This record gives sequence, structure tokens and C-alpha cells, in this order.
Amino acid sequence: GESVGLHLPTLSVQEGDNSIINCAYSNSASDYFIWYKQESGKGPQFIIDIRSNMDKRQGQRVTVLLNKTVKHLSLQIAATQPGDSAVYFCAEQGTYKYIFGTGTRLKVLA
Amino acid sequence: DTEVTQTPKHLVMGMTNKKSLKCEQHMGHRAMYWYKQKAKKPPELMFVYSYEKLSINESVPSRFSPECPNSSLLNLHLHALQPEDSALYLCASSQEDTDTGELFFGEGSRLTVL
Repeated sequence: GESVGLHLPTLSVQEGDNSIINCAYSNSASDYFIWYKQESGKGPQFIIDIRSNMDKRQGQRVTVLLNKTVKHLSLQIAATQPGDSAVYFCAEQGTYKYIFGTGTRLKVLA
Repeated sequence: DTEVTQTPKHLVMGMTNKKSLKCEQHMGHRAMYWYKQKAKKPPELMFVYSYEKLSINESVPSRFSPECPNSSLLNLHLHALQPEDSALYLCASSQEDTDTGELFFGEGSRLTVL
């Protein structure tokens, strides 16, 4: 399954399919971005980061893409699993602080 | 040790009470943060401490009073709170506040103000 647009509050994906979560950031001068996963009742957990001098970075089952032209960030999760169900936030680092996006809830359907 | 530990996990207080939230990290990080998170919303920055000095206060009401006794500890003192202050309070740390790098979050303290 793929996201149907930017800022989608909830994304439902069939188990085993790939997920794409999108995020628009605000500051063209931001040079560092992080994706966080937050499970219910827990604090945000680091997934993957990317610096502005890169446009793609891969981790284990996750890939982050950065498009600086349109100030857009995406997180791709391969072979989505039930344990991936959570809220995903992107965060950009501004001067002295991190700014979080609105978040997307990922629901994995069995 | 890559943990940020927050206590208590849950706190219920009345509007006239005084309570404190505590946060501890032993990663040698020099920047520590308080975030507030309402349900279904992203974390919102409240305070940043850098080298035990307050470097950012995001116009937080004075009924929230942060304290950094040493480089490993961060407190948030609460007094005369309002019901709308009920939220998840997250502590985080990073190596530096101006350097790029991961923010490590604690599990949060869930505060209910009656």
C-alpha cells in the first residue's frame, strides 16, 4: 500500500506490503532530519536520520528519501509487519531545537 | 547505557498541588529537553538545557519550572497547574544542542490535573 497524499493522518497497510509515510518540512535551511516511531504509551524511538547533503539513506527495512527542492521527506518501510503499527513523526533540526511534524498513524492489517 | 529514565510514569495532581517530574540520563549528553505531548499531537518543545544552563524557554507559563541540578539530571517542577496541562511530558537528551544528532527520549510521565 502507498500513502495517498501528504499529511495523511492514518495509513492502513496490509501485512507484508510496503509502506510510504510522507512529511513536509518548513525550513529550507534545516540540515538534519530524523524519523521517530512512537508506540502507544511510549516515548518516541529513533528509526533513521538523514543529513541535507544526502537524498537517500537506507537502514534495516527502512529507507528515508529527502527532496530538498519541495521540502519533502518520506519514510519507506519494506515488508510491513504488525510490530510496525505506531505513529511516525518526522523531525527537522532547526537552530537549537527539533521541530516535529504532525505525525502519521500506521495500521498494519493482518 | 542508552536510556533516559523518567519518574513517575503516572502522576495525578490537584490544581493547588506542587509536584515534580524527574529525568535522568547517563550517556554523557550535555543537552537535555522537556517536551509536552497532547493526545494525537506531536511533541512540543518546552525547555532546552545546554551544559546545565537554560538555553531555550518556549514561552512556557511560569507554573512550569525546570531545573538542571547536574549534567545527568533534569527536573520539571509543577505548581498551580490547570486541567489543560494534562499531557504526556517527555524528557530527551542529545550530545549537544547545536550539533546534529539523535534525540534520545524517555518513556514519558503522564500527568493528569484534576
